[in-house]
Amino acid sequence: NAGVTQTPKFRVLKTGQSMTLLCAQDMNHEYMYWYRQDPGMGLRLIHYSVGEGTTAKGEVPDGYNVSRLKKQNFLLGLESAAPSQTSVYFCASSYWTSGGQETQYFGPGTRLLVL
Amino acid sequence: AQTVTQSQPEMSVQEAETVTLSCTYDTSENNYYLFWYKQPPSRQMILVIRQEAYKQQNATENRFSVNFQKAAKSFSLKISDSQLGDTAMYFCAFMILTGTASKLTFGTGTRLQVTL
Repeated sequence: NAGVTQTPKFRVLKTGQSMTLLCAQDMNHEYMYWYRQDPGMGLRLIHYSVGEGTTAKGEVPDGYNVSRLKKQNFLLGLESAAPSQTSVYFCASSYWTSGGQETQYFGPGTRLLVL
Repeated sequence: AQTVTQSQPEMSVQEAETVTLSCTYDTSENNYYLFWYKQPPSRQMILVIRQEAYKQQNATENRFSVNFQKAAKSFSLKISDSQLGDTAMYFCAFMILTGTASKLTFGTGTRLQVTL
């Protein structure tokens, strides 16, 4: 299993440009998440999904949109990038075990620089 | 709202020594999990250890153990026999059990440097 993968690893955008970050998981997990990590801060939740075709807002959703058309993929879109969106973006996926335990598995991150 | 506080921005420990990283949290919930994640220079977030709040016994994973004090809302990580590969950022995280997708709340991290 590849686990959680993210594409691209690094990207530079100009202000106002759009882009989509792709997260893919091959563990058949129901739940998927997008976080951002800024210097001196922990990860903050942007959006999440509890299943195919469903999405929900997290702590810092403004300026982002997401889609989950397939169970294994969770896309994060920036329609009009701003310098404040310069960050490292992490995707995670998770599941419930029979014991009711949930563990989130993280991708390697995408570093985004908006000029 | 839940908050997680890591009061030690940076720590240093010599190889083979023991170090303890502090974490406190604030919540009114009773059913939750606590985690320690490690983030090495590669930026990959790696789960180190997990503690269920309903368990009184402290979790251990090889050289890593926690001191979970529920009444004090404290969750410290002890690393024994520190190794150079333990050099990383360590994040404490909190998760309420909701029966569906559960959101992690992270602290700001502690940068640990293991030296020779």
